[in-house]
Amino acid sequence: AQSVTQLDSQVPVFEEAPVELRCNYSSSVSVYLFWYVQYPNQGLQLLLKYLSGSTLVESINGFEAEFNKSQTSFHLRKPSVHISDTAEYFCAVRGTDKLIFGTGTRLQVFP
Amino acid sequence: NAGVTQTPKFQVLKTGQSMTLQCAQDMNHEYMSWYRQDPGMGLRLIHYSVGAGITDQGEVPNGYNVSRSTTEDFPLRLLSAAPSQTSVYFCASRPFSTGDLSYEQYFGPGTRLTVT
Repeated sequence: AQSVTQLDSQVPVFEEAPVELRCNYSSSVSVYLFWYVQYPNQGLQLLLKYLSGSTLVESINGFEAEFNKSQTSFHLRKPSVHISDTAEYFCAVRGTDKLIFGTGTRLQVFP
Repeated sequence: NAGVTQTPKFQVLKTGQSMTLQCAQDMNHEYMSWYRQDPGMGLRLIHYSVGAGITDQGEVPNGYNVSRSTTEDFPLRLLSAAPSQTSVYFCASRPFSTGDLSYEQYFGPGTRLTVT
């Protein structure tokens, strides 16, 4: 069965600092991985996804994630965060007919 | 396109009351689903549907019913509300076809439900 673990429930960081949000997965079949972002009082939006090909995937707002099969990880990184990146971030893995979400990481960016 | 819409945005129920959370999408997506979001537990799948007339259970289906009579609508019914059902409920949709790997789901804005 597929599962996702996000070890950090909260990550506080100062503006312009780098950040890494960790995600580890378990899957016995082909792996498709996703990061979703939820801004305050909104629904979830797809940030980026790994389906195949290059193991490094990027979003339009500067986030990137690297699929690491040997470490079963899909960590999300940004070299310099902004106040507007404050949100909850969910890692997800594709299961059978559904997405399986992690418990989420709340990124709080301070000025 | 309005995307995925949910009504109401907020609702307060008394224990034992019933209600229906509405969800509609105008993207002609075959797949629709309901999640509940609770602090520290992320999103948990309640029910989902891969097309009109077809529904299936997710990981936390107890206390909830669904039906899918049209492609556009996927209402979630609480038969007898309990305080444990206090949560934020999200509806989501996506295309569904064999070989579709993207699994990009489009989420509604959510319904915040409190059961007292």
